[in-house]
Amino acid sequence: NAGVMQNPRHLVRRRGQEARLRCSPMKGHSHVYWYRQLPEEGLKFMVYLQKENIIDESGMPKERFSAEFPKEGPSILRIQQVVRGDSAAYFCASSPSVASYEQYFGPGTRLTVT
Amino acid sequence: AQSVTQLGSHVSVSEGALVLLRCNYSSSVPPYLFWYVQYPNQGLQLLLKYTSAATLVKGINGFEAEFKKSETSFHLTKPSAHMSDAAEYFCAVSQGPSGGSNYKLTFGKGTLLTVNP
Repeated sequence: NAGVMQNPRHLVRRRGQEARLRCSPMKGHSHVYWYRQLPEEGLKFMVYLQKENIIDESGMPKERFSAEFPKEGPSILRIQQVVRGDSAAYFCASSPSVASYEQYFGPGTRLTVT
Repeated sequence: AQSVTQLGSHVSVSEGALVLLRCNYSSSVPPYLFWYVQYPNQGLQLLLKYTSAATLVKGINGFEAEFKKSETSFHLTKPSAHMSDAAEYFCAVSQGPSGGSNYKLTFGKGTLLTVNP
């Protein structure tokens, strides 16, 4: 039973480019959560999605960041026009049938903006 | 609002020694509390959780934690450290049974545990 998959594991982007981070939840899980870990900080909640719906985006920066979880395929976290301050580790987690604190985490994507 | 403070960003112990990783939290509602472990290049793995049942919680790999409401603490312990315990440990809090957003985890900054032979 594969765990939560994230790709790429490492991503380097120049300032102004777009970054797309992908997350495939565990089999049978329909709830996805994204967290960001800035250097020297703990993980911070960004957004919670169900299939085709954004449920809670209270932790997402208002500009340049968006997330989706389509009916088919992985969840995508998209960062437009990246800046150096976006450099961080981005973690995805999933849970089965209901919104839950029982979350299974992926290995993360390390984004570096040069 | 919730927050988590982990005292000590780096803890070093000898193999066989007691492991104590400290976590204090603040929460405006009764919380759920968690400890996660992260090995290099892997995702966070749930070690144990407190969800308002027994205050002493046992987890995987011989770890346990005690919820102390009066001290707002949830320290992680293991009687005897093993080399394989070397990893980063994160304490987290979410809204408990009276909160509507218990999926929203708030993490501490993490404690890197080193085990010396």
